[in-house]
Amino acid sequence: DGGITQSPKYLFRKEGQNVTLSCEQNLNHDAMYWYRQDPGQGLRLIYYSQIVNDFQKGDIAEGYSVSREKKESFPLTVTSAQKNPTAFYLCASSIHQIPLAPSYNEQFFGPGTRLTVL
Amino acid sequence: GNSVTQMEGPVTLSEEAFLTINCTYTATGYPSLFWYVQYPGEGLQLLLKATKADDKGSNKGFEATYRKETTSFHLEKGSVQVSDSAVYFCAPPADEKLTFGTGTRLTIIP
Repeated sequence: DGGITQSPKYLFRKEGQNVTLSCEQNLNHDAMYWYRQDPGQGLRLIYYSQIVNDFQKGDIAEGYSVSREKKESFPLTVTSAQKNPTAFYLCASSIHQIPLAPSYNEQFFGPGTRLTVL
Repeated sequence: GNSVTQMEGPVTLSEEAFLTINCTYTATGYPSLFWYVQYPGEGLQLLLKATKADDKGSNKGFEATYRKETTSFHLEKGSVQVSDSAVYFCAPPADEKLTFGTGTRLTIIP
Protein backbone atom coordinates (compact mmCIF):
# COMPACT_ATOMS: atom_id res chain seq x y z
CA ASP A 1 0.00 0.00 0.00
CA GLY A 2 1.23 3.49 -0.85
CA GLY A 3 1.44 6.10 1.85
CA ILE A 4 3.52 8.11 4.25
CA THR A 5 5.05 6.70 7.38
CA GLN A 6 6.37 8.58 10.35
CA SER A 7 8.26 7.01 13.17
CA PRO A 8 8.10 6.78 16.04
CA LYS A 9 4.57 7.74 17.04
CA TYR A 10 5.72 8.98 20.45
CA LEU A 11 9.18 10.31 21.21
CA PHE A 12 10.67 11.54 24.47
CA ARG A 13 13.91 13.44 24.75
CA LYS A 14 15.80 15.35 27.39
CA GLU A 15 16.19 19.08 27.05
CA GLY A 16 19.31 20.05 25.12
CA GLN A 17 19.40 16.93 22.95
CA ASN A 18 18.94 16.96 19.20
CA VAL A 19 16.35 14.53 17.87
CA THR A 20 15.54 13.39 14.31
CA LEU A 21 12.02 12.56 13.18
CA SER A 22 11.62 10.17 10.29
CA CYS A 23 9.32 10.65 7.28
CA GLU A 24 9.17 8.20 4.38
CA GLN A 25 6.79 8.08 1.40
CA ASN A 26 6.36 5.55 -1.39
CA LEU A 27 3.91 7.64 -3.43
CA ASN A 28 6.61 8.88 -5.83
CA HIS A 29 5.81 12.46 -4.80
CA ASP A 30 8.30 15.23 -5.52
CA ALA A 31 7.18 17.66 -2.82
CA MET A 32 7.39 17.01 0.92
CA TYR A 33 6.52 19.15 3.93
CA TRP A 34 6.96 19.33 7.69
CA TYR A 35 4.35 20.96 9.92
CA ARG A 36 4.11 21.59 13.62
CA GLN A 37 0.79 21.47 15.47
CA ASP A 38 0.34 22.75 19.00
CA PRO A 39 -2.75 22.03 21.13
CA GLY A 40 -5.77 23.91 19.89
CA GLN A 41 -3.85 25.49 17.05
CA GLY A 42 -3.60 25.04 13.34
CA LEU A 43 -0.66 23.77 11.35
CA ARG A 44 2.47 25.83 10.93
CA LEU A 45 4.93 25.06 8.16
CA ILE A 46 8.50 24.34 9.24
CA TYR A 47 10.27 23.34 6.00
CA TYR A 48 9.30 22.10 2.56
CA SER A 49 11.06 20.53 -0.37
CA GLN A 50 9.94 20.48 -4.00
CA ILE A 51 12.77 18.33 -5.32
CA VAL A 52 15.65 16.19 -4.12
CA ASN A 53 18.62 18.12 -2.69
CA ASP A 54 16.59 21.32 -2.37
CA PHE A 55 14.42 22.68 0.44
CA GLN A 56 13.04 26.00 1.67
CA LYS A 57 12.25 27.44 5.06
CA GLY A 58 8.64 27.71 6.07
CA ASP A 59 7.14 30.06 8.61
CA ILE A 60 8.86 28.67 11.73
CA ALA A 61 12.19 27.15 10.61
CA GLU A 62 14.33 28.44 13.48
CA GLY A 63 15.72 25.60 15.58
CA TYR A 64 14.99 22.95 12.94
CA SER A 65 16.96 21.42 10.09
CA VAL A 66 16.10 19.04 7.24
CA SER A 67 17.72 17.10 4.44
CA ARG A 68 16.38 15.68 1.17
CA GLU A 69 18.97 13.26 -0.12
CA LYS A 70 16.38 10.82 -1.48
CA LYS A 71 12.98 11.42 -3.04
CA GLU A 72 11.34 9.09 -0.56
CA SER A 73 12.77 10.56 2.62
CA PHE A 74 12.60 13.95 4.35
CA PRO A 75 13.90 13.70 7.94
CA LEU A 76 13.47 16.60 10.36
CA THR A 77 15.98 17.34 13.11
CA VAL A 78 14.78 19.28 16.12
CA THR A 79 17.88 20.93 17.53
CA SER A 80 18.62 22.17 21.02
CA ALA A 81 18.18 25.70 19.66
CA GLN A 82 14.42 25.15 19.34
CA LYS A 83 13.09 26.84 22.44
CA ASN A 84 9.79 24.99 22.75
CA PRO A 85 10.04 21.69 20.86
CA THR A 86 7.23 19.76 22.54
CA ALA A 87 4.53 19.44 19.86
CA PHE A 88 2.85 17.14 17.35
CA TYR A 89 4.84 16.97 14.10
CA LEU A 90 3.21 16.12 10.79
CA CYS A 91 4.89 15.22 7.52
CA ALA A 92 3.11 15.47 4.18
CA SER A 93 3.80 15.00 0.49
CA SER A 94 2.21 15.96 -2.81
CA ILE A 95 2.79 15.67 -6.53
CA HIS A 96 4.27 18.65 -8.31
CA GLN A 97 2.89 19.40 -11.76
CA ILE A 98 5.21 22.03 -13.18
CA PRO A 99 4.47 24.92 -13.78
CA LEU A 100 1.76 24.69 -11.13
CA ALA A 101 2.81 25.18 -7.52
CA PRO A 102 2.86 21.94 -5.50
CA SER A 103 0.08 23.33 -3.33
CA TYR A 104 -2.40 23.01 -6.23
CA ASN A 105 -2.50 19.32 -5.43
CA GLU A 106 -3.74 17.38 -2.45
CA GLN A 107 -1.27 16.80 0.34
CA PHE A 108 -1.07 13.33 1.87
CA PHE A 109 -0.26 13.30 5.56
CA GLY A 110 1.52 10.83 7.76
CA PRO A 111 0.12 9.79 11.16
CA GLY A 112 2.36 12.23 13.03
CA THR A 113 4.99 12.04 15.76
CA ARG A 114 4.28 13.44 19.20
CA LEU A 115 7.54 14.79 20.62
CA THR A 116 7.84 15.51 24.31
CA VAL A 117 10.96 17.18 25.66
CA LEU A 118 11.46 16.62 29.36
CA GLY B 1 0.35 36.94 0.58
CA ASN B 2 -2.57 34.57 0.63
CA SER B 3 -4.53 34.04 3.82
CA VAL B 4 -7.52 32.13 5.13
CA THR B 5 -10.09 32.94 7.78
CA GLN B 6 -11.93 30.04 9.27
CA MET B 7 -14.84 29.99 11.68
CA GLU B 8 -13.64 29.75 15.24
CA GLY B 9 -14.55 26.72 17.29
CA PRO B 10 -15.32 24.72 19.14
CA VAL B 11 -18.67 23.82 17.64
CA THR B 12 -21.02 21.42 19.41
CA LEU B 13 -24.10 20.05 17.67
CA SER B 14 -26.65 17.36 18.27
CA GLU B 15 -26.73 14.36 15.99
CA GLU B 16 -28.67 14.98 12.74
CA ALA B 17 -28.23 18.76 13.00
CA PHE B 18 -27.19 20.89 10.01
CA LEU B 19 -23.55 21.95 9.92
CA THR B 20 -21.89 24.99 8.38
CA ILE B 21 -18.25 25.91 8.93
CA ASN B 22 -17.33 29.18 7.26
CA CYS B 23 -14.10 29.72 5.35
CA THR B 24 -13.04 32.82 3.44
CA TYR B 25 -9.69 33.45 1.83
CA THR B 26 -7.58 35.87 -0.11
CA ALA B 27 -5.55 34.51 -2.97
CA THR B 28 -3.99 35.58 -6.20
CA GLY B 29 -5.10 33.70 -9.24
CA TYR B 30 -7.65 30.96 -9.02
CA PRO B 31 -6.27 28.30 -6.72
CA SER B 32 -7.58 24.89 -5.81
CA LEU B 33 -9.36 24.84 -2.46
CA PHE B 34 -9.35 22.04 0.09
CA TRP B 35 -11.02 20.91 3.28
CA TYR B 36 -9.06 18.51 5.46
CA VAL B 37 -10.25 16.57 8.51
CA GLN B 38 -8.20 15.41 11.49
CA TYR B 39 -9.49 12.69 13.79
CA PRO B 40 -8.06 12.50 17.33
CA GLY B 41 -4.38 11.55 17.42
CA GLU B 42 -4.07 11.24 13.65
CA GLY B 43 -2.72 13.16 10.70
CA LEU B 44 -4.91 15.14 8.31
CA GLN B 45 -6.95 13.55 5.55
CA LEU B 46 -8.37 15.26 2.51
CA LEU B 47 -12.14 15.59 2.92
CA LEU B 48 -12.97 17.33 -0.34
CA LYS B 49 -11.60 19.74 -2.88
CA ALA B 50 -12.62 22.11 -5.68
CA THR B 51 -10.31 23.07 -8.48
CA LYS B 52 -12.13 25.96 -10.18
CA ALA B 53 -14.76 28.62 -9.58
CA ASP B 54 -18.32 27.33 -8.99
CA ASP B 55 -16.99 23.82 -8.58
CA LYS B 56 -18.61 21.82 -5.77
CA GLY B 57 -16.57 19.32 -3.84
CA SER B 58 -18.37 16.57 -1.96
CA ASN B 59 -17.53 13.53 0.13
CA LYS B 60 -19.16 11.56 2.98
CA GLY B 61 -22.19 13.86 2.89
CA PHE B 62 -20.07 17.02 3.19
CA GLU B 63 -20.17 19.68 0.48
CA ALA B 64 -18.38 22.94 -0.27
CA THR B 65 -18.75 25.26 -3.25
CA TYR B 66 -15.91 27.39 -4.56
CA ARG B 67 -17.41 30.92 -4.64
CA LYS B 68 -15.03 33.21 -6.46
CA GLU B 69 -17.24 36.29 -6.09
CA THR B 70 -17.28 36.02 -2.29
CA THR B 71 -13.91 34.24 -1.98
CA SER B 72 -15.52 31.63 0.21
CA PHE B 73 -15.49 27.85 0.52
CA HIS B 74 -17.93 27.07 3.33
CA LEU B 75 -18.29 23.47 4.48
CA GLU B 76 -21.81 22.06 4.93
CA LYS B 77 -23.46 18.81 5.90
CA GLY B 78 -27.17 18.26 6.14
CA SER B 79 -27.23 15.72 8.99
CA VAL B 80 -24.15 15.21 11.14
CA GLN B 81 -23.26 12.01 12.95
CA VAL B 82 -21.25 11.32 16.09
CA SER B 83 -18.50 9.91 13.86
CA ASP B 84 -18.07 13.38 12.28
CA SER B 85 -16.52 14.65 15.51
CA ALA B 86 -13.07 15.89 14.48
CA VAL B 87 -11.11 19.03 13.65
CA TYR B 88 -11.75 20.53 10.20
CA PHE B 89 -9.22 22.66 8.33
CA CYS B 90 -9.85 24.93 5.36
CA ALA B 91 -6.83 25.27 3.07
CA PRO B 92 -6.46 27.46 0.03
CA PRO B 93 -2.97 27.27 -1.47
CA ALA B 94 -0.43 30.04 -1.09
CA ASP B 95 2.31 29.97 -3.71
CA GLU B 96 4.39 26.85 -3.09
CA LYS B 97 2.74 25.94 0.17
CA LEU B 98 -0.72 25.49 1.61
CA THR B 99 -2.04 27.95 4.16
CA PHE B 100 -4.14 26.15 6.73
CA GLY B 101 -6.89 27.77 8.72
CA THR B 102 -6.72 27.46 12.49
CA GLY B 103 -9.09 24.52 12.41
CA THR B 104 -12.60 24.14 13.79
CA ARG B 105 -13.15 21.47 16.42
CA LEU B 106 -16.53 19.83 15.91
CA THR B 107 -18.20 17.69 18.57
CA ILE B 108 -21.43 15.86 17.83
CA ILE B 109 -23.45 14.68 20.80
CA PRO B 110 -25.96 11.81 20.52
